[in-house]
Amino acid sequence: AQSVTQLDSQVPVFEEAPVELRCNYSSSVSVYLFWYVQYPNQGLQLLLKYLSGSTLVESINGFEAEFNKSQTSFHLRKPSVHISDTAEYFCAVSGYNKLIFGAGTRLAVHP
Amino acid sequence: GAVVSQHPSWVICKSGTSVKIECRSLDFQATTMFWYRQFPKQSLMLMATSNEGSKATYEQGVEKDKFLINHASLTLSTLTVTSAHPEDSSFYICSASRGPPTGELFFGEGSRLTVL
Repeated sequence: AQSVTQLDSQVPVFEEAPVELRCNYSSSVSVYLFWYVQYPNQGLQLLLKYLSGSTLVESINGFEAEFNKSQTSFHLRKPSVHISDTAEYFCAVSGYNKLIFGAGTRLAVHP
Repeated sequence: GAVVSQHPSWVICKSGTSVKIECRSLDFQATTMFWYRQFPKQSLMLMATSNEGSKATYEQGVEKDKFLINHASLTLSTLTVTSAHPEDSSFYICSASRGPPTGELFFGEGSRLTVL
């Protein structure tokens, strides 16, 4: 069985500060890993994904995540956040043609 | 990116009635579609997986007779909440897959169901 654990339900941070949203997974098969973002009153959007190859993946808006197989982690980071990054972030693992989501982390960026 | 559309985006119904939610992949053929349920301030819970032309596979604890899923074509899947009750009120989200190897899903905008 697969599972995803997002260790922080809420992460408050000041604008321009760095942030890390933690994600750990468990799976008995090879997986694909994703981060999705849900802005207030909107649907989910793919932020970035790890399929294979380089363990460090980046998004177009400055987020990055690193796949660490030994620690079974896929933490999301951004060196300097903006107010507009305020949203719910979901880590997800794909295997057996299913996508399993973590509980989500609410990132609240304050001025 | 690929576009997935859900309709209606918001529906209010009386207890005991049935509600149908449509999920369409607008610019690609979806070999597999998924239905999720999201409770307020919680994550998405996978309800069922549907493949075109075959019966849906339901996750443990999801009542297949209450949540009827039909995947009649490669671009359309429907979720019917039968005899809805207030506890069925939730945000229902569909997603569609173009299939392996990316494993990426494309999500609809979601449908908020309120049962009075």
